[in-house]
Amino acid sequence: VLTQSPATLSLSPGESATLSCRASQRVTNYLAWYKQTPGQAPRLLIYDASKRATGIPARFSGSGSGTDFTLTISGLEPEDFAVYFCQQRYYWPFTFGPGTKVDIK
Amino acid sequence: QVQLQASGPGLVKPSETLSLTCTVSGGSLGLHSWSWIRQSPGKALEWIGSLYNGGSTNFHPSLTSRGTISVDTSKTQMSLTLTSVTAADTAIYYCAREYCSGNSCWNSYLEYWGQGILVTVSS
Repeated sequence: VLTQSPATLSLSPGESATLSCRASQRVTNYLAWYKQTPGQAPRLLIYDASKRATGIPARFSGSGSGTDFTLTISGLEPEDFAVYFCQQRYYWPFTFGPGTKVDIK
Repeated sequence: QVQLQASGPGLVKPSETLSLTCTVSGGSLGLHSWSWIRQSPGKALEWIGSLYNGGSTNFHPSLTSRGTISVDTSKTQMSLTLTSVTAADTAIYYCAREYCSGNSCWNSYLEYWGQGILVTVSS
């Protein structure tokens, strides 16, 4: 089971966001982060905990291993206000967290 | 550019069979692994199952007895069939392709997604 905190994060453009994902069992570094905007499919941002997917800006960074993971967005752009999900691939079925909504303060 | 388009009925009656098709353009079905994901209203994403490039499939344990994923490479289409549906199967259904970078692919991360299709189970 993946839990994410906080459920909602209210920030202003230009500020940095720190999102947390915690796994109930160790998943080594087999964790990804996705971003979803309303009406759109999720987009892969980070895989294997810390590797940026192709085309993802450097302001997105991931860290963590084992059970605790963090997604950091350094300097929020208007398009970054969205819902962020973590996903583990260590155990089948692969699972997603409930999401953190980053909205404009 | 790889594009995926999910299609199928938006309304299915309880106990009937849900059939969805994912049409792929800009990529080869046989060379990659493909998955179905769903998102119920107000709920987290759920990984339904995957079709691997070797032809094998894997399903969420709660759906193994009801689900089938198949591929028609001549039509560049992948299909999901879910039998005996209930209201709990109401969701937006996405088809997606594995993530690849350089010569490596990860069938457990998803890069290309279809736009999603809302399926409502109701009489």
